[in-house]
Amino acid sequence: GAVVSQHPSRVICKSGTSVKIECRSLDFQATTMFWYRQFPKQSLMLMATSNEGSKATYEQGVEKDKFLINHASLTLSTLTVTSAHPEDSSFYICSATPGTVNTEAFFGQGTRLTVV
Amino acid sequence: AQSVTQLDSQVPVFEEAPVELRCNYSSSVSVYLFWYVQYPNQGLQLLLKYLSGSTLVKGINGFEAEFNKSQTSFHLRKPSVHISDTAEYFCAVSKGQGAQKLVFGQGTRLTINP
Repeated sequence: GAVVSQHPSRVICKSGTSVKIECRSLDFQATTMFWYRQFPKQSLMLMATSNEGSKATYEQGVEKDKFLINHASLTLSTLTVTSAHPEDSSFYICSATPGTVNTEAFFGQGTRLTVV
Repeated sequence: AQSVTQLDSQVPVFEEAPVELRCNYSSSVSVYLFWYVQYPNQGLQLLLKYLSGSTLVKGINGFEAEFNKSQTSFHLRKPSVHISDTAEYFCAVSKGQGAQKLVFGQGTRLTINP
């Protein structure tokens, strides 16, 4: 199956700083990637759709200025949590679907963000 | 809008016993349905999916699920579980075209006891 890699797997940052999370499709091109957020013992919630070469589409209630998404190439999307606060601590997961196989989403390993 | 309800937040089962994890969905249009497994601090792995055709879907690790349109259900089953099946299981429905945008259920924590 297709492989999606996320980096870093864990990050601890101080409150007020920014953190960048990378999501890469290793063996396929993805014009669209998706970012999810998972709070402890809860489900995954779609945050935004990352579109290669254009602006991301954010779900209702997600602050676009806080969660900056850049999809600069067909294999890389980045999520930057700006001015992080403890309430931003969460598990962030990206997914992507190969262009020719639109019936399965492949997920990255996830990034555990802890803001102290 | 689509939504997914997993009726059990936790399911404890003895090893080698059968298990069923329940999932109900709501949608005004035809959907794709999925079951994913998540091991601690890891991403999601696809167990199986229903796109169309046969309502009984077989997946990896001995899991299967049955799509029931009249009951809007997509329950996951395994006839005999192993310790290694201990994980969080998520049912999901597609929100848009294909499998791209997914709406997840709350998750079911499956615990296998020896």
